[in-house]
Amino acid sequence: DTGVSQDPRHKITKRGQNVTFRCDPISEHNRLYWYRQTLGQGPEFLTYFQNEAQLEKSRLLSDRFSAERPKGSFSTLEIQRTEQGDSAMYLCASSPKDSPYEQYFGPGTRLTVT
Amino acid sequence: AQRVTQPEKLLSVFKGAPVELKCNYSYSGSPELFWYVQYSRQRLQLLLRHISRESIKGFTADLNKGETSFHLKKPFAQEEDSAMYYCALREGTSYGKLTFGQGTILTVHP
Repeated sequence: DTGVSQDPRHKITKRGQNVTFRCDPISEHNRLYWYRQTLGQGPEFLTYFQNEAQLEKSRLLSDRFSAERPKGSFSTLEIQRTEQGDSAMYLCASSPKDSPYEQYFGPGTRLTVT
Repeated sequence: AQRVTQPEKLLSVFKGAPVELKCNYSYSGSPELFWYVQYSRQRLQLLLRHISRESIKGFTADLNKGETSFHLKKPFAQEEDSAMYYCALREGTSYGKLTFGQGTILTVHP
């Protein structure tokens, strides 16, 4: 499968724990995005990378959230001290340099905070 | 701030009937509008964008700046069109951030 992959697909954690998600974009896609989707809502933008540079961050990305893309390939999203309100689907997307408008989405990581 | 509104959470039609999924937006600049679709057990994927002005799977959408709308239309719905549809907006000044609507679940009955 050459699409965007995300790991893990599901994560259950207790409140207060830290979690980290990984996203592997389509090879050679230089743009990478993270979104969060809660039940009944559309995806909400969290952050955007072009190569390894984080160029845009949403106000939704509180101090407890951090994202990295150290070598311009895969990316990680970490949530520290999780809260029940963090329960959501976390989506990753990537887009190629010549078609920045077309975002290819991964299957998502479903986080449940108990 | 930009906003995308899809007023219908659910839309049901019969096969062969015309279908229109509504999308309204608020944005003061020059937006770029998209429709994304998610079929059952599949990933979110791009259906069409207003700039290309093409028809994909029989669907078309026209950007109406006066009414700030970008409704998705198909003259004859098919059962395989049943899916979740999201309207999305990209700000002209943004690198690629998309603002999505809440989505409309389209069900096409046989």
